[in-house]
Amino acid sequence: EVQLLESGGGLVQPGGSLRLSCAASRFSFSSYAMRWVRQAPGKGLEWVSAISGGGGTTYYADSVKGRFTISRDNSKNTLYLQMNNLRAEDTALYYCAKMDTALGYGMDVWGQGTTVTVSS
Amino acid sequence: EIVLTQSPATLSLSPGERATLSCRASQTVGSYLVWYQQKPGQAPRLLIYDAFNRATGIPARFSGSGSGTDFTLTISSLEPEDFAVYYCQQRSNWPLTFGGGTRVEIK
Repeated sequence: EVQLLESGGGLVQPGGSLRLSCAASRFSFSSYAMRWVRQAPGKGLEWVSAISGGGGTTYYADSVKGRFTISRDNSKNTLYLQMNNLRAEDTALYYCAKMDTALGYGMDVWGQGTTVTVSS
Repeated sequence: EIVLTQSPATLSLSPGERATLSCRASQTVGSYLVWYQQKPGQAPRLLIYDAFNRATGIPARFSGSGSGTDFTLTISSLEPEDFAVYYCQQRSNWPLTFGGGTRVEIK
């Protein structure tokens, strides 16, 4: 079964940093663009960042631009999100998701999410 | 940024009834509109892509329609497992944006 497994979440103070990881299995990881999507407690979905299959093209939501960096290591089938200068409003469940161009660029595989809490 | 407005915020219906969910975009997105379903404690699930195409394994009772700025997700006859929150998302322009969601609850 195609799978994504996030890790790296936790409690961090405002201004701190975290690096999230997303381990992919049972699909050709380098062939697919990937995305991070977050969901604040009790709120809706918010797209955070995206990266092309080769890693050369990246996109960010304005709310995280300049603070977050998306990257991938295709040799390790792993996606990353480096989060710096964290703010209380970054508190959320962070999902990684696989994007499939054959499905209208929809996100057809999602991880279970990893929780980030920014609080003093 | 393209803003997606979903309505209603909550839809109270009984099993077997028809559900009609709306998603309106602040500017045209063509047919580049996706629908997701999210149940409590679960990740979202891809339902519909490019406005009207069902994703793999999605039952035929789910259908999407619309183009430009107005889109509709219809569930022809609600099954107990369909009570959930539904989100639309556009991929026409960066940044990608989601609507605020419609909760379909049991009446």
